[in-house]
Amino acid sequence: GAGVSQSPRYKVAKRGQDVALRCDPISGHVSLFWYQQALGQGPEFLTYFQNEAQLDKSGLPSDRFFAERPEGSVSTLKIQRTQQEDSAVYLCASSLAVHLDRVEQYFGPGTRLTVT
Amino acid sequence: AQSVAQPEDQVNVAEGNPLTVKCTYSVSGNPYLFWYVQYPNRGLQFLLKYITGDNLVKGSYGFEAEFNKSQTSFHLKKPSALVSDSALYFCAVRASQTGANNLFFGTGTRLTVIP
Repeated sequence: GAGVSQSPRYKVAKRGQDVALRCDPISGHVSLFWYQQALGQGPEFLTYFQNEAQLDKSGLPSDRFFAERPEGSVSTLKIQRTQQEDSAVYLCASSLAVHLDRVEQYFGPGTRLTVT
Repeated sequence: AQSVAQPEDQVNVAEGNPLTVKCTYSVSGNPYLFWYVQYPNRGLQFLLKYITGDNLVKGSYGFEAEFNKSQTSFHLKKPSALVSDSALYFCAVRASQTGANNLFFGTGTRLTVIP
């Protein structure tokens, strides 16, 4: 079956531009997560949705970062006025439920953002 | 606060030999523990998880991991390494209490299996 998809796969933005990154989770998955992975590091949590509700946004690094999932499926991560330190791979993950036997997260291929 | 330590940036092993990739964790309460593998230009692939029950868990591609509560460890193992196992491996933890859904990852261990 189809996995988590993300678009675009690569994005080059000039400093100060706004960008929008899209995530299509696995159909039926309730939970959706965004992570940021800097070069040579592990992914770091940004935000979490359960259906359309954003339950945790504690990892968003600044108010320039905004995420939404209006209909409980597709999600968009928006970064306003991009800065060079925003350059990273942005990973989206989804999981079926919060129940014990379905807590593993399935990751998309990521969007590599380069801010010049 | 939750955290994961992967003490080895790089592990080299000969094909056919057993491999171990180390992971220790810190979390409040009972942990949920995960291993993921990352191939170049691809996302993280889920290998296995420990939630509760048997300390030895088996996962994809012949990998297994042992949960050791007293040592707060969750080392990844495989009895016989393949060249195709060469990749970047991440250990991750989350707390078990309701609402603590996000994962905390280690910095990764690059495994190279030498033919």
